[in-house]
Amino acid sequence: EAQVTQNPRYLITVTGKKLTVTCSQNMNHEYMSWYRQDPGLGLRQIYYSMNVEVTDKGDVPEGYKVSRKEKRNFPLILESPSPNQTSLYFCASSLSTAEGLAGGHSADTQYFGPGTRLTVL
Amino acid sequence: AQKVTQAQTEISVVEKEDVTLDCVYETRDTTYYLFWYKQPPSGELVFLIRRNSFDEQNEISGRYSWNFQKSTSSFNFTITASQVVDSAVYFCALSEEGRRALTFGSGTRLQVQP
Repeated sequence: EAQVTQNPRYLITVTGKKLTVTCSQNMNHEYMSWYRQDPGLGLRQIYYSMNVEVTDKGDVPEGYKVSRKEKRNFPLILESPSPNQTSLYFCASSLSTAEGLAGGHSADTQYFGPGTRLTVL
Repeated sequence: AQKVTQAQTEISVVEKEDVTLDCVYETRDTTYYLFWYKQPPSGELVFLIRRNSFDEQNEISGRYSWNFQKSTSSFNFTITASQVVDSAVYFCALSEEGRRALTFGSGTRLQVQP
């Protein structure tokens, strides 16, 4: 079954204790991304990766790190979590190589993982 | 900069009523893509539809229909004969070609009462 998986699904931690949320996809997608969802704000992009070893900042990257050593995995790392990082996190993936209507890369549909609810005390 | 506005924070209807969820977007690009996602109470995000900026044809899929109007920068979503299972938060999102990030609206919570 084609899917994006995230682990853990729920996590309660304390300020300053490093943590990693894993994300894996089995669809051979080049593009992967992390979003956070907060009430009233919708989803906002944290980081994204166009392919292996290629990552870039999204709209809210402060306090987060990512890596893309393999195509299927895109972990999100919080080196020193703080309470304002309490949120619902989603990983997403999509194809990246389709040519778009204007010659650039098409914004292919992003498929989302089940979400990770993180609480930082 | 791209922006998506979903002015309706919450809508409550009774089963079998029709309901329209509004989405207004802003972008300077002429080539862009619009999406709707559903987030049921279980929390996952379910893809519903993707539209590109050159395709203004309305789309119908069962009880769901979408009205894309470039003249008003709107991409509204209508559920006909709503059901309790339609209760969810619905997100409209926009992506400009070449810019990978989806910009989401703040979502509309739909409650369908039996």
